[in-house]
Amino acid sequence: KNEVEQSPQNLTAQEGEFITINCSYSVGISALHWLQQHPGGGIVSLFMLSSGKKKHGRLIATINIQEKHSSLHITASHPRDSAVYICAAHSGGSNYKLTFGKGTLLTVNP
Amino acid sequence: NAGVTQTPKFQVLKTGQSMTLQCAQDMNHEYMSWYRQDPGMGLRLIHYSVGAGITDQGEVPNGYNVSRSTTEDFPLRLLSAAPSQTSVYFCASSPQAGGYTGQPQHFGDGTRLSIL
Repeated sequence: KNEVEQSPQNLTAQEGEFITINCSYSVGISALHWLQQHPGGGIVSLFMLSSGKKKHGRLIATINIQEKHSSLHITASHPRDSAVYICAAHSGGSNYKLTFGKGTLLTVNP
Repeated sequence: NAGVTQTPKFQVLKTGQSMTLQCAQDMNHEYMSWYRQDPGMGLRLIHYSVGAGITDQGEVPNGYNVSRSTTEDFPLRLLSAAPSQTSVYFCASSPQAGGYTGQPQHFGDGTRLSIL
């Protein structure tokens, strides 16, 4: 069982809709990353957060350490937001490794 | 700055051939790593390095070698290619080797490798 679980696996939305992607993890972490990967493309780091909430443009990431849960929200979604969104947990300390979720494929239709 | 540069972008090999995937970063990052990405699976760590001269195995190291002679370069070698190594390979770097809060990872564009 993967220590980082994302839901949903696939998500289809209409342009303008509010999007939520969830990430749950079973290990203690020091930071959680949200990444974006466009089809056939490279991977871009969107957020790294260890508590609370971060916002960048129409993207908002939140984390609840006690509940071991993070969400990525996209407001006023646009077709260019169509991509795979990946969360990854960093356990910190002397462990340099990230544990990745399998990703959520988001398709935003015009 | 170019960031993380991976070459080649695409490669087709025959079973048993060897090759080296190149990764270079110009951000003076200490930490570099190689991942493979397969359908239906999350990214999996192959090898990583916390600085020049220091490397360690990740989750799926078998069939791969790495070295880190300089801060900038972290090549991944396939010793004898097998069809199971068909995958997309990503190199990543970050300013610090882990640490308490971690650091954002910078990824290359990936190398799409097919083994026939």
